[in-house]
Amino acid sequence: SQELEQSPQSLIVQEGKNLTINCTSSKTLYGLYWYKQKYGEGLIFLMMLQKGGEEKSHEKITAKLDEKKQQSSLHITASQPSHAGIYLCGAEGGYGGSQGNLIFGKGTKLSVKP
Amino acid sequence: NAGVTQTPKFQVLKTGQSMTLQCAQDMNHEYMSWYRQDPGMGLRLIHYSVGAGITDQGEVPNGYNVSRSTTEDFPLRLLSAAPSQTSVYFCASSYSWSPQNIQYFGAGTRLSVL
Repeated sequence: SQELEQSPQSLIVQEGKNLTINCTSSKTLYGLYWYKQKYGEGLIFLMMLQKGGEEKSHEKITAKLDEKKQQSSLHITASQPSHAGIYLCGAEGGYGGSQGNLIFGKGTKLSVKP
Repeated sequence: NAGVTQTPKFQVLKTGQSMTLQCAQDMNHEYMSWYRQDPGMGLRLIHYSVGAGITDQGEVPNGYNVSRSTTEDFPLRLLSAAPSQTSVYFCASSYSWSPQNIQYFGAGTRLSVL
């Protein structure tokens, strides 16, 4: 079965610094989703990547899917306290025969020091 | 437009009690699912539904029942709660079961079973 491994597990950065979170799959990714979670809240959708080499940006967050479609990275430029939270990558795992079912990495906890 | 609404937000149960976690969406989404989130385990799929009247098991279905009598609602029933069911439960929905549809998550229900 497909597994998603995220690194690092946790990250503490100084406000204003850049950072990168990685998500590696054991199988080819056909749809890769990035979500952000804050305590007491649900998962907030950030971006979806589908094609090898695809890159998307929203405000100061950029996500990329490599050409081989087995790894994705999430890059935050000039981090702010509002970026703090848990970042989760999800992929279409096909569990139960439904490609719409997602599997998730275990998350990366980001703390941003003012 | 409320999105995905979960109730209650918090619940404490005694071992052996039963309860229903409610999930409702107002986006006319066909696909709905339930996940549980545990430390070190990430999000795991419990049950999912590709439309009204159709449900199927996910990765960890034991101890849970679901039904989908309407498009809007997808309740999760714990028949006889066990301490191993202490977790955070998330409901999600998307336009359809097909791939590359963004899944929207509720805020979660935090359940403790004593």
